[in-house]
Amino acid sequence: KQEVTQIPAALSVPEGENLVLNCSFTDSAIYNLQWFRQDPGKGLTSLLLIQSSQREQTSGRLNASLDKSSGRSTLYIAASQPGDSATYLCALPRNSGNTPLVFGKGTRLSVIA
Amino acid sequence: NAGVTQTPKFQVLKTGQSMTLQCAQDMNHNSMYWYRQDPGMGLRLIYYSASEGTTDKGEVPNGYNVSRLNKREFSLRLESAAPSQTSVYFCASSGAGSRSPLHFGNGTRLTVT
Repeated sequence: KQEVTQIPAALSVPEGENLVLNCSFTDSAIYNLQWFRQDPGKGLTSLLLIQSSQREQTSGRLNASLDKSSGRSTLYIAASQPGDSATYLCALPRNSGNTPLVFGKGTRLSVIA
Repeated sequence: NAGVTQTPKFQVLKTGQSMTLQCAQDMNHNSMYWYRQDPGMGLRLIYYSASEGTTDKGEVPNGYNVSRLNKREFSLRLESAAPSQTSVYFCASSGAGSRSPLHFGNGTRLTVT
């Protein structure tokens, strides 16, 4: 059974800092990994999806990496802005194959102006 | 393009009352999901429908029923609400294959007194 852990649970940084959010998982036989953003009172928005054959994906100031052998993924945010403040969640299929996602509990990010 | 639409946004029920949460997507997605989100517990899968005409239990199905009415619509029913079902409920959908990200609605905040 896939288990997903995100540490730290909360993070506060000054504006402009580069930062890394961590996600670890127990079953490396995965199809893909997704990173999501959740703003307070809102649903989740997909940020990046990494296929199991890929090492990383980039979108603007965001870069997500995937290391299946170590069971880890990182989300790198460059030049952080107050608008990046949100909760970031990673998720993977619960079994091998295209099965429903299992989510980590997220990292709550605050970027201070 | 509306994406995933959930109704209602807020609901208060008394213990024992029933209600149906509605979800519709306009992206022609095959798969639809119901998750609940609770503080400290993260997102947990209640039920999902991999395709029209099929439904399967997730991690926490007790006390709920679902109906995949057609390809667009997937409803969640609480037959006899309990205080433990106080939560935020999210509907999500995805297309076929491992390259399709998950799209979420904005959630229904349910309180059972």
